[in-house]
Amino acid sequence: SQQGEEDPQALSIQEGENATMNCSYKTSINNLQWYRQNSGRGLVHLILIRSNEREKHSGRLRVTLDTSKKSSSLLITASRAADTASYFCATFPTDSWGKLQFGAGTQVVVTP
Amino acid sequence: GAVVSQHPSRVICKSGTSVKIECRSLDFQATTMFWYRQFPKQSLMLMATSNEGSKATYEQGVEKDKFLINHASLTLSTLTVTSAHPEDSSFYICSARNSGSSTDTQYFGPGTRLTVL
Repeated sequence: SQQGEEDPQALSIQEGENATMNCSYKTSINNLQWYRQNSGRGLVHLILIRSNEREKHSGRLRVTLDTSKKSSSLLITASRAADTASYFCATFPTDSWGKLQFGAGTQVVVTP
Repeated sequence: GAVVSQHPSRVICKSGTSVKIECRSLDFQATTMFWYRQFPKQSLMLMATSNEGSKATYEQGVEKDKFLINHASLTLSTLTVTSAHPEDSSFYICSARNSGSSTDTQYFGPGTRLTVL
């Protein structure tokens, strides 16, 4: 079953702007992961944040995690046209036996 | 490193035929692989967990006799869609966990687009 809820469902921005998307979940987790999917392709792992971490950076990506609110955010700074893709959060629940639970995704379009 | 391949990338078949999709971890061993299906503009839905050397575990609502999974080696899992029908048309994606890694990262294959006529 889908645990993560993401908002917005779709986001349209111009190159150079920042893109922020949010993910909420319901159960206790070991970690939360963000993935990118280009149209018709597989998923690319972007970043993993553990339940005892609050913020993590990787290049132009910044992820936050608030376990008290059961929410996470992904910020893409200085967006590029190549960032156009769907972005999914996936939680690793503590009782999931290794099974990720994916959110509905945010479709991001970056126009030049 | 951590590359997962799928074959074929695209398949079109007639209704009633069976289709086999392969998922390989190219540079690591994976005792556990996962199979997902994804409908257009939707998220990934986990179908089953494939365990090397043992039976797969299926999610609720997924017919094990319809979607046969075999994980014969540490680098290969196969999904066979038996007696495929148009409603089975979907994007099937596998993922693999690196058995030798302490992280929980899953590496995803590029997906297989199945179209059943």
